Amino acid sequence: AQSVTQLDSQVPVFEEAPVELRCNYSSSVSVYLFWYVQYPNQGLQLLLKYLSGSTLVKGINGFEAEFNKSQTSFHLRKPSVHISDTAEYFCAVILMGSTGANNLFFGTGTRLTVIP
Amino acid sequence: KAGVTQTPRYLIKTRGQQVTLSCSPISGHRSVSWYQQTPGQGLQFLFEYFSETQRNKGNFPGRFSGRQFSNSRSEMNVSTLELGDSALYLCASSLQSTNTEAFFGQGTRLTVV
Repeated sequence: AQSVTQLDSQVPVFEEAPVELRCNYSSSVSVYLFWYVQYPNQGLQLLLKYLSGSTLVKGINGFEAEFNKSQTSFHLRKPSVHISDTAEYFCAVILMGSTGANNLFFGTGTRLTVIP
Repeated sequence: KAGVTQTPRYLIKTRGQQVTLSCSPISGHRSVSWYQQTPGQGLQFLFEYFSETQRNKGNFPGRFSGRQFSNSRSEMNVSTLELGDSALYLCASSLQSTNTEAFFGQGTRLTVV
């Protein structure tokens, strides 16, 4: 079975400070990894994804994440946050090589609040 | 090009009624997935359709069903609504069934009273 764990349900951070949102996964097979962001009353928007290759992935809005296979982690980072980054962030996986299975398994989300 | 469109955005229904939600994927996308989002359970996968066939199903009761039309538009239906069905229902479309990027609509907020 697979699972995605987001270790922090809420993360407050001051504007222009760095932030890290943690994500760990467990799976018996290899996975693709994603981070999505959800603003209030909106759907989800893809921030970045790891499929293969370089373990450091850069995404939109200045976010980046690093895949660490040995620690089964995919933490999201931003060196300097803005007020507009206040939102809910979801880590998700897709099982690699799963025929006909295109469903995302999501973590429980981390609410990032940027404090002025 | 237009994104994923879900209609309606908001719905209020009474227990025992049924409801149909609609999702129009991005043009050219053949895979449509549905997710339920609730404060208690988070984001949970309902089902996925590809070329009018259900390819994958989550762990939901049979009251939840869906279909996909030849133009890739999809509908999901919930019968005999329960209070616990109140949720944000999100639709996601992608190019192919084993795609690695899904584009989400804004969701339909269903409230069951």
